[in-house]
Amino acid sequence: DQQVKQNSPSLSVQEGRISILNCDYTNSMFDYFLWYKKYPAEGPTFLISISSIKDKNEDGRFTVFLNKSAKHLSLHIVPSQPGDSAVYFCAAKAGANNLFFGTGTRLTVIP
Amino acid sequence: DTEVTQTPKHLVMGMTNKKSLKCEQHMGHRAMYWYKQKAKKPPELMFVYSYEKLSINESVPSRFSPECPNSSLLNLHLHALQPEDSALYLCASSQALLGGAGYEQYFGPGTRLTVT
Repeated sequence: DQQVKQNSPSLSVQEGRISILNCDYTNSMFDYFLWYKKYPAEGPTFLISISSIKDKNEDGRFTVFLNKSAKHLSLHIVPSQPGDSAVYFCAAKAGANNLFFGTGTRLTVIP
Repeated sequence: DTEVTQTPKHLVMGMTNKKSLKCEQHMGHRAMYWYKQKAKKPPELMFVYSYEKLSINESVPSRFSPECPNSSLLNLHLHALQPEDSALYLCASSQALLGGAGYEQYFGPGTRLTVT
């Protein structure tokens, strides 16, 4: 049973525009959410996280939004750059428990 | 230094072989993890070590045997694997919380394992 879902397997965006990656979850006990970026043949790289007590966290070009009532989070990248092309995983955890990963969204930024 | 290193990068082994995967971090993290990732799938947790003690084993077959010799090192010993065990094996580390896994996990580049 997939507790964290990324329903868009791929997304293409023009360079300079905004990329919006979405993630939905089912477990209301999740209290911490993370986004990871993965290039081929490399391990996932931590990007940004958000605690369930917040609804927004920003770090440079990356902003994560959390809507607890909808059990939905999103990652905004603006402006998008060709180097952002990668697979993006969202992940969630409840307290000291394991990370649950989504299935990933492949982002392609077109120059 | 936010680096987690893994060796080897690639490994091909027969079903009767014994091999080991190695992972190292020098971030002072006290939680370390092994994940398995198949193509086009998310990483799946296998084991968690917290303060060098095994705290989570996600019902992994005994042909996979983890070991945490010290706070910087994590090994995964492999014996009598099956072709379906071919995957990318990822190691990660994080600050440890009491009782289990920490928050941001930092991943190594993985070992691409092929079982023939």
